[in-house]
Amino acid sequence: KQEVTQIPAALSVPEGENLVLNCSFTDSAIYNLQWFRQDPGKGLTSLLLIQSSQREQTSGRLNASLDKSSGRSTLYIAASQPGDSATYLCALSPTSGTYKYIFGTGTRLKVLA
Amino acid sequence: DAGVTQSPTHLIKTRGQQVTLRCSPISGHKSVSWYQQVLGQGPQFIFQYYEKEERGRGNFPDRFSARQFPNYSSELNVNALLLGDSALYLCASTLDYRGAAGYTFGSGTRLTVV
Repeated sequence: KQEVTQIPAALSVPEGENLVLNCSFTDSAIYNLQWFRQDPGKGLTSLLLIQSSQREQTSGRLNASLDKSSGRSTLYIAASQPGDSATYLCALSPTSGTYKYIFGTGTRLKVLA
Repeated sequence: DAGVTQSPTHLIKTRGQQVTLRCSPISGHKSVSWYQQVLGQGPQFIFQYYEKEERGRGNFPDRFSARQFPNYSSELNVNALLLGDSALYLCASTLDYRGAAGYTFGSGTRLTVV
């Protein structure tokens, strides 16, 4: 059974710091992996999608990598800003069975001004 | 283009009542999925519909049901509400049932059961 873990659960950093958020999964048979941002009480905003044949994706200050063999994905945020404060969720879909997303529990990020 | 729209945004219901949540996918998207997110947790899969057929169901009781209409919009129904059904209900749309281009989520419906 696929399990997705995000550590740490919460993180506080000073503004301007570069940071890495981690997402671990137990089964390497994944179809794609997507990172989302969620502001309190709101829906999910897509940040980056990595398909299984890809190793990384970049958008602005964000870079996401995928290493299926080690069961890890990382989200790198460069030069963090207070506006980056939110919960970050990773989700992945398996290659077989029901085509659903399995989510981690998220990392709650606070960037201090 | 409008994104995924969900209605209502907030809802308060009493235990034992029934509720219907609505979702309109992005234009051209034929698959809609429903997720439940309780406070402090990641979203949990409830249903997927594609071309008006159920393609997947998560580990939820039969009190939960859904359907998809010819225009690809969808409704989620929950009967005999329990306090534990209080959560943010999220709808996601994808172009195909596989989600090759990723998922787009709506803003959610906050359901409070009292």
